[in-house]
Amino acid sequence: EDQVTQSPEALRLQEGESSSLNCSYTVSGLRGLFWYRQDPGKGPEFLFTLYSAGEEKEKERLKATLTKKESFLHITAPKPEDSATYLCAVQAASGGSYIPTFGRGTSLIVHP
Amino acid sequence: DAGVIQSPRHEVTEMGQEVTLRCKPISGHNSLFWYRQTMMRGLELLIYFNNNVPIDDSGMPEDRFSAKMPNASFSTLKIQPSEPRDSAVYFCASSFSNEKLFFGSGTQLSVL
Repeated sequence: EDQVTQSPEALRLQEGESSSLNCSYTVSGLRGLFWYRQDPGKGPEFLFTLYSAGEEKEKERLKATLTKKESFLHITAPKPEDSATYLCAVQAASGGSYIPTFGRGTSLIVHP
Repeated sequence: DAGVIQSPRHEVTEMGQEVTLRCKPISGHNSLFWYRQTMMRGLELLIYFNNNVPIDDSGMPEDRFSAKMPNASFSTLKIQPSEPRDSAVYFCASSFSNEKLFFGSGTQLSVL
């Protein structure tokens, strides 16, 4: 069974204080790992897809990296508008259905 | 494109009543997912359609839940009879060829 564990559950940062969110996964053959951002009262919004170990993707203050067992979402010099819940999801290559399994998310609050 | 459209945004009903949630996926997308989100369990997959055909409904809690996709531009999730433990946010998401998901804004369901 595919498993996704995100840590920490919650993170409070001061504006400008860089940090990383972790997503550990167990999957029988990784097809893709996805990061989403979810704001209160809204649906998750796509950020990145990573397909193979060593791959990195960047968008503004966010950088996602991938190893064979985990992914990190690095947040550099965060701003209050980066406050949100960040969700990680994995797709297994086996089975053919490619249904993504989501982690519980990390709730990030950035104080001004 | 208007994105994935869900209705209603909020639904308050009494235990035992029938509830119908509606979803219009993004035009051209061939996969549709229904998820339920709670604080306790995070995002849980209820059912997955591919080309309007239900592929995986193993996440549907019990016979009280049913989902249909009569055509490529419309899906419904029905709960009959509803129970207080069904209270949650229900998300519909669509994708093209099992790539990144696009989520609707969700339906906040409260069963009293």
